[in-house]
Amino acid sequence: GAVVSQHPSRVICKSGTSVKIECRSLDFQATTMFWYRQFPKKSLMLMATSNEGSKATYEQGVEKDKFLINHASLTLSTLTVTSAHPEDSSFYICSARDVQGTDTQYFGPGTRLTVL
Amino acid sequence: DQQVKQNSPSLSVQEGRISILNCDYTNSMFDYFLWYKKYPAEGPTFLISISSIKDKNEDGRFTVFLNKSAKHLSLHIVPSQPGDSAVYFCAASARYGGSQGNLIFGKGTKLSVKP
Repeated sequence: GAVVSQHPSRVICKSGTSVKIECRSLDFQATTMFWYRQFPKKSLMLMATSNEGSKATYEQGVEKDKFLINHASLTLSTLTVTSAHPEDSSFYICSARDVQGTDTQYFGPGTRLTVL
Repeated sequence: DQQVKQNSPSLSVQEGRISILNCDYTNSMFDYFLWYKKYPAEGPTFLISISSIKDKNEDGRFTVFLNKSAKHLSLHIVPSQPGDSAVYFCAASARYGGSQGNLIFGKGTKLSVKP
């Protein structure tokens, strides 16, 4: 149980385009989902916390107009990187918290974004 | 200021021996601690957790110890296997501290288990 999927796993896009990444909890309901970014050889950096049916809470330094988050249902959150630039190239990982259990976060497999 | 610290960036252990990964924290509001394992280009995989009301939790080859007075926790893997080679992240949350239970991660320790 506690499976989280992400789609796509890898995306390459041109500078200036927008990219949408989906995060789904497959076998549990997640009122809260989290979006992280990982830089090479660095820890996971929390970008935003997404609550179902309400606006996302962004961490300091993360542009909300740049990284649009929508959490429309208890099993789906999306991250849209708008007007992507090469510096947005990174590994994006989502997680979902199972509020029926112990508040453990379960992570998706990640999405490798490369902006040319 | 790092609230969760993993001071050893890497650890090398012989197969069959014990691996001990350490983690220190500074925020006394943390009440829930987790260990995740991560392979390159994959999301972290949940391994084991411990609540602050306990000092030990065991699951198969994995045991987590919590020393609240020292604000220290450790993950013991015994016996270590080559497949355990990965980066291990320690994480902490303050579930009742008004922070939505967000996880604060350490920088990770790369474990290499040699055959």
